[in-house]
Amino acid sequence: QKEVEQNSGPLSVPEGAIASLNCTYSDRGSQSFFWYRQYSGKSPELIMFIYSNGDKEDGRFTAQLNKASQYVSLLIRDSQPSDSATYLCAGAGGSSNTGKLIFGQGTTLQVKP
Amino acid sequence: EAQVTQNPRYLITVTGKKLTVTCSQNMNHEYMSWYRQDPGLGLRQIYYSMNVEVTDKGDVPEGYKVSRKEKRNFPLILESPSPNQTSLYFCASSSPGHLAYEQYFGPGTRLTVT
Repeated sequence: QKEVEQNSGPLSVPEGAIASLNCTYSDRGSQSFFWYRQYSGKSPELIMFIYSNGDKEDGRFTAQLNKASQYVSLLIRDSQPSDSATYLCAGAGGSSNTGKLIFGQGTTLQVKP
Repeated sequence: EAQVTQNPRYLITVTGKKLTVTCSQNMNHEYMSWYRQDPGLGLRQIYYSMNVEVTDKGDVPEGYKVSRKEKRNFPLILESPSPNQTSLYFCASSSPGHLAYEQYFGPGTRLTVT
């Protein structure tokens, strides 16, 4: 069974701090990973994706992928109260771009003013 | 406005009464998918469709049916709902190729089966 695991949290950080969200996966064949943000009562929205080992930065967000360790992370710098949400890690669940995503349980982030 | 719409947004029904949740997208996306979200279990894929008349099972297809007769619509059918299908349901769509993983989600349908 292909799995993506996240700590459900909540992860609480003060405003302005770096929030570090982590995810591990079991399928060594997974090539691509995605971070979706879901505000309470809302639908998930894609905020980052990473296809290669290393870091990918987009504004205050940095996604990190380590395929050898089967580990994905999302760093949020200068965290804001508006970043408070559940963050879903997802791995591409199949080959040939089927669009199948395997989601983790999500980590709830609370940014305190 | 580019969007995925779902109807109804909230539904309370009784065991065994057939229901359909509609999903429509206006982005000309080939790929559409249905997920259910349950506490502690995350999002799980029910069915997906890579194009018109092309559908396949996801991880939890039991008790559900889908059809894809038009590109923009992908209804989810529960022929005989049971209480274990009480959940929050999301429809999603995306473009083909590697973009298939960059999915746009509808607002969700909260279903309660009593």
